[in-house]
Amino acid sequence: EAEVAQSPRYKITEKSQAVAFWCDPISGHATLYWYRQILGQGPELLVQFQDESVVDDSQLPKDRFSAERLKGVDSTLKIQPAELGDSAMYLCASSSPGTSGTYEQYFGPGTRLTVT
Amino acid sequence: GDSVTQMEGPVTLSEEAFLTINCTYTATGYPSLFWYVQYPGEGLQLLLKATKADDKGSNKGFEATYRKETTSFHLEKGSVQVSDSAVYFCALKASGAQKLVFGQGTRLTINP
Repeated sequence: EAEVAQSPRYKITEKSQAVAFWCDPISGHATLYWYRQILGQGPELLVQFQDESVVDDSQLPKDRFSAERLKGVDSTLKIQPAELGDSAMYLCASSSPGTSGTYEQYFGPGTRLTVT
Repeated sequence: GDSVTQMEGPVTLSEEAFLTINCTYTATGYPSLFWYVQYPGEGLQLLLKATKADDKGSNKGFEATYRKETTSFHLEKGSVQVSDSAVYFCALKASGAQKLVFGQGTRLTINP
């Protein structure tokens, strides 16, 4: 069964450093999402791509976060500089219309970031 | 804006007990509703979904019915197992949108 791949699984970084996460969606899925999940809370959307274009980045802190999906396949999320409050699980998901048009989302295992 | 409210956890039950996790939502129009499960150290897995009023989603013994009149999508299971221990998230997708809006999650622990 096809899966969403993410790396690294765990990352520890010091505040003010740069950090990057990578996501490879399920083959053929045009829509890719990055969510942030703070401990004890539900995931919140940071950015949504349709192919290589950003369609929603309203909750992305653009002063320090950036995201790209240059060829419309895999994607990178970067934080520079990292802050203590960025400690969270970063989840990537992908979707396609599917037979019912419901755009069911499939999630990767996540990257757990700890900022010290 | 759209939002989802889940019953607060943690919830602790004995094996074979009946489970209910409450979920209510606020949204305009006719959203699709979902339950996701997250096992320790893993990402989210779709457990079940319902796309219109009165639909019942079911999977692995879990069920939830889309009740528009009460804006609810409560998760139920008749007899829980230790392996059901996880965090459960209720979520909605607004009509015409693709992003998911999640509740805060409910941690479930089943004791043998």
